[in-house]
Amino acid sequence: GAGVSQSPRYKVAKRGQDVALRCDPISGHVSLFWYQQALGQGPEFLTYFQNEAQLDKSGLPSDRFFAERPEGSVSTLKIQRTQQEDSAVYLCASSLFEISYEQYFGPGTRLTVT
Amino acid sequence: DAKTTQPTSMDCAEGRAANLPCNHSTISGNEYVYWYRQIHSQGPQYIIHGLKNNETNEMASLIITEDRKSSTLILPHATLRDTAVYYCIVISLGTGTASKLTFGTGTRLQVTL
Repeated sequence: GAGVSQSPRYKVAKRGQDVALRCDPISGHVSLFWYQQALGQGPEFLTYFQNEAQLDKSGLPSDRFFAERPEGSVSTLKIQRTQQEDSAVYLCASSLFEISYEQYFGPGTRLTVT
Repeated sequence: DAKTTQPTSMDCAEGRAANLPCNHSTISGNEYVYWYRQIHSQGPQYIIHGLKNNETNEMASLIITEDRKSSTLILPHATLRDTAVYYCIVISLGTGTASKLTFGTGTRLQVTL
């Protein structure tokens, strides 16, 4: 069966550009998470959706980061006016239930800001 | 959630058992131990979790000490495909609105021929 997919897999942006990263979760999964992983570090939580509702955005590093999941399935993470410190792998994960620590991760999008 | 301590790296010969330790000495009674791994250029993958009893599934076994202050993830017959970073995460279920995972830096397991 299809797992979590993310696109693009790689993105190079010039500093100041806006980017949009897409996540297609496993069909029927209620919960969707975004994580950011810097080189050599473990993933860090950014934000969480339960269906279309964004219930936790405590990990978003600045107001340049915005995420949405308008129909409760596909999600987009948008970063405005990218900075070099935004360079990282952005991981999306989904899980079947509202509260579940068994999460299925996508392969990530590697963002490089030059 | 309780803090965990893992060795930075470990080596294991292919075909041998890989035993990955995790210290969680401040764990409380309602906190679970979860293990994930991350193969290079992939997202993390759930392996196993437990509360106080030992657990086994098709991927691994989890041994939790009686005092719950430490645990060991066992890959019984390691293969080259098990080379990855292994994360031990302690989680308190049912708290908060988001079941967010807090990863540390994990243990980098290198399986060699």
